[in-house]
Amino acid sequence: AQSVSQHNHHVILSEAASLELGCNYSYGGTVNLFWYVQYPGQHLQLLLKYFSGDPLVKGIKGFEAEFIKSKFSFNLRKPSVQWSDTAEYFCAVNEKTGRRALTFGSGTRLQVQP
Amino acid sequence: NAGVTQTPKFRVLKTGQSMTLLCAQDMNHEYMYWYRQDPGMGLRLIHYSVGEGTTAKGEVPDGYNVSRLKKQNFLLGLESAAPSQTSVYFCASSPLRTGENTEAFFGQGTRLTVV
Repeated sequence: AQSVSQHNHHVILSEAASLELGCNYSYGGTVNLFWYVQYPGQHLQLLLKYFSGDPLVKGIKGFEAEFIKSKFSFNLRKPSVQWSDTAEYFCAVNEKTGRRALTFGSGTRLQVQP
Repeated sequence: NAGVTQTPKFRVLKTGQSMTLLCAQDMNHEYMYWYRQDPGMGLRLIHYSVGEGTTAKGEVPDGYNVSRLKKQNFLLGLESAAPSQTSVYFCASSPLRTGENTEAFFGQGTRLTVV
């Protein structure tokens, strides 16, 4: 069975600081990888996704993530965070074939202080 | 373009009451899912469907039933609500095709409180 680990549960940063959120997954087959963001009181929105090709993917709002297959990792990065980035971030994976349902990590709450 | 629409958005139930949550998608997606979101636990899959007339259990199916009578609708039922089912419920859908652009689209969520 798939599992996703997000080791940072709560991160507090000041504006302009750099961000890196860790995500590791456990699965023997090939997977698609996603980062979703949930702003307070809202639904999940796709931040970025990796299906194949260049392991460095760029998403919306200046976010990027790097897929490192040997480490089963898909860490999210942003060079300079803004107050508006305050949200909860979820890493998720699904199988390229078979069951398509996403398996989510437990989430990382990011708080950016002005 | 509505995407994925959930009804209702908020609900308070008494223990033992029943209710049905409706999810509707207008993207002609084959796959539909119900998740629950609890603090510190991310989203967990309750049930899912790979097409009209089919359903399957996810990781946390106990206490819930689902039906997919029409391709665009996926209903989640609670026959006898319990306080442990207090949660935020999200519906999602995704297309059948493989490869690129198979991401899931989420509804706005239903906040359910069981007292």
